[in-house]
Amino acid sequence: GQQVMQIPQYQHVQEGEDFTTYCNSSTTLSNIQWYKQRPGGHPVFLIQLVKSGEVKKQKRLTFQFGEAKKNSSLHITATQTTDVGTYFCAEKISSGSARQLTFGSGTQLTVLP
Amino acid sequence: GAGVSQSPSNKVTEKGKDVELRCDPISGHTALYWYRQSLGQGLEFLIYFQGNSAPDKSGLPSDRFSAERTGGSVSTLTIQRTQQEDSAVYLCASSLGAGNEQYFGPGTRLTVT
Repeated sequence: GQQVMQIPQYQHVQEGEDFTTYCNSSTTLSNIQWYKQRPGGHPVFLIQLVKSGEVKKQKRLTFQFGEAKKNSSLHITATQTTDVGTYFCAEKISSGSARQLTFGSGTQLTVLP
Repeated sequence: GAGVSQSPSNKVTEKGKDVELRCDPISGHTALYWYRQSLGQGLEFLIYFQGNSAPDKSGLPSDRFSAERTGGSVSTLTIQRTQQEDSAVYLCASSLGAGNEQYFGPGTRLTVT
């Protein structure tokens, strides 16, 4: 079945440092979505990537989709305490499950002031 | 407009009792998902409804779990004979269609004593 690998599982950074989380799939993806869940909250949609090699930016967040559409990354520049939370990727494979979206295990980010 | 709502927000029940959790999706969203999230863990897929199609029940952990969606709108997740390991936050999400961005409700925190 489809494997959704997300690394690292945990990341502690000092405020101002950069942070990156990666998602890797064993199959070619149709698209990939990223969500953020604040502590005590629910996941909130951030962005969707569709095209091979696509790069999108949201302020200090940069999202990339691999050329082979099998991996993606989320990079945060100069982290702030408001970035604290768990970041999930959600992968849509090109064919297969009617459900179509599979969530990664998440990367829990802690930002130390 | 209104987002996804869930009720109750918190539920404490005794082991062996049945519970019903309700989800009101965003109006017009044909896809509805139930997930379970234990403390500090990822999203565990439970069940998926898409329009009038047969639901994808592949994530239900046991036959004590069931769900229905009436009239293509409101959904109810029922857990029979609750066990302590059922304690978790149950999240509902809806989307315009399969694979589209998902909008999550605030969740129901279930505690089985």
